[in-house]
Amino acid sequence: EAGVAQSPRYKIIEKRQSVAFWCNPISGHATLYWYQQILGQGPKLLIQFQNNGVVDDSQLPKDRFSAERLKGVDSTLKIQPAKLEDSAVYLCASSFSGRILHEQFFGPGTRLTVL
Amino acid sequence: KNEVEQSPQNLTAQEGEFITINCSYSVGISALHWLQQHPGGGIVSLFMLSSGKKKHGRLIATINIQEKHSSLHITASHPRDSAVYLCAVGYNFNKFYFGSGTKLNVKP
Repeated sequence: EAGVAQSPRYKIIEKRQSVAFWCNPISGHATLYWYQQILGQGPKLLIQFQNNGVVDDSQLPKDRFSAERLKGVDSTLKIQPAKLEDSAVYLCASSFSGRILHEQFFGPGTRLTVL
Repeated sequence: KNEVEQSPQNLTAQEGEFITINCSYSVGISALHWLQQHPGGGIVSLFMLSSGKKKHGRLIATINIQEKHSSLHITASHPRDSAVYLCAVGYNFNKFYFGSGTKLNVKP
């Protein structure tokens, strides 16, 4: 079974530039998550999708971050314009949706450096 | 909002030692997820549990729902166990909140 795919793996940009990350979840997983992980901290949820609908985006800085999941499969996360404090690893995860809670499976992450 | 606290933040052990990592949370949960994050960044699921105890190889996870506390134990620790261990509490609608992690270093 293929895992969660993410690209790019690394990205270096200057502040005020734009950047986009892509994620393809495990086939059949209806729930998709984007997390931000700052060095030394646990992952922080940015946005959660159920199929192509948003379940939770309460911690997404909507003035600069946007995300979409067209057709309920792969997803993109965009930052425009980037700030220095956006330097982090951006993790995508997916899980099977059902009546009981299912574990999350994570992609390798995208390490973003904003200069 | 649920507060998730892990302890210790950092842990150094000698190879062969028995290790315990703790996770406490403030609000009742549906399940708790233990994960391992290697230095390269990849996160791997270890256990998902909602009650009692689970064992896989040298790893054991326990949870006490009444006390809102879970522990991850590693028996006969090995340098390859060196990683960050993450605890995430889960709720209905597949929502998870993470602790800040425990960084484990096992010395040969």
